[in-house]
Amino acid sequence: DAGVTQSPTHLIKTRGQQVTLRCSPISGHKSVSWYQQVLGQGPQFIFQYYEKEERGRGNFPDRFSARQFPNYSSELNVNALLLGDSALYLCASSFPTGDAKETQYFGPGTRLLVL
Amino acid sequence: AQSVTQLDSQVPVFEEAPVELRCNYSSSVSVYLFWYVQYPNQGLQLLLKYLSGSTLVKGINGFEAEFNKSQTSFHLRKPSVHISDTAEYFCAVAGGYNKLIFGAGTRLAVHP
Repeated sequence: DAGVTQSPTHLIKTRGQQVTLRCSPISGHKSVSWYQQVLGQGPQFIFQYYEKEERGRGNFPDRFSARQFPNYSSELNVNALLLGDSALYLCASSFPTGDAKETQYFGPGTRLLVL
Repeated sequence: AQSVTQLDSQVPVFEEAPVELRCNYSSSVSVYLFWYVQYPNQGLQLLLKYLSGSTLVKGINGFEAEFNKSQTSFHLRKPSVHISDTAEYFCAVAGGYNKLIFGAGTRLAVHP
């Protein structure tokens, strides 16, 4: 079975632009979480979606939004990009309920550079 | 609120030597603890997790960790490391029911 996939792998944007990152969970996984990993730091929780509903949101501004589709894939949108948004964006899926005790399966990430 | 402190940002070690990566946590609720590994240009992979029961947890690739409630620690150990263990290691605690709170990471560098 394929693991978690993310696209694109790399992205370069300029300040003020908008970006959309995509994630496909492992088949059968209904929970998708997004994390931001700034260089030299651990991942920080942005969102969790379960069965297409937002279940949790981290301490990120409203410029960050996400959604989950009927096939459980997900998109993360960031508006009005700032230099500080440059980071590796990780998507993780889990089964069956999205509970934090479950193993999170991470994708390889999308590396975003904002110039 | 939950938090994680990884006490060493970098740990250099020679091949076949033992290693310990230190992690302290703070949690006001039930404690669920994890160690993840991140190889260069890859996502994170679960090494092991503690949910309940035995305080000594065995994981993949010969790693193990010990949950110590009195010292609020969850240190990761391996008796003999290989070059291929060179990576970034993250300790994490479940923050509520739906997210992980990660430490800043420890870079393990294994030298021949």
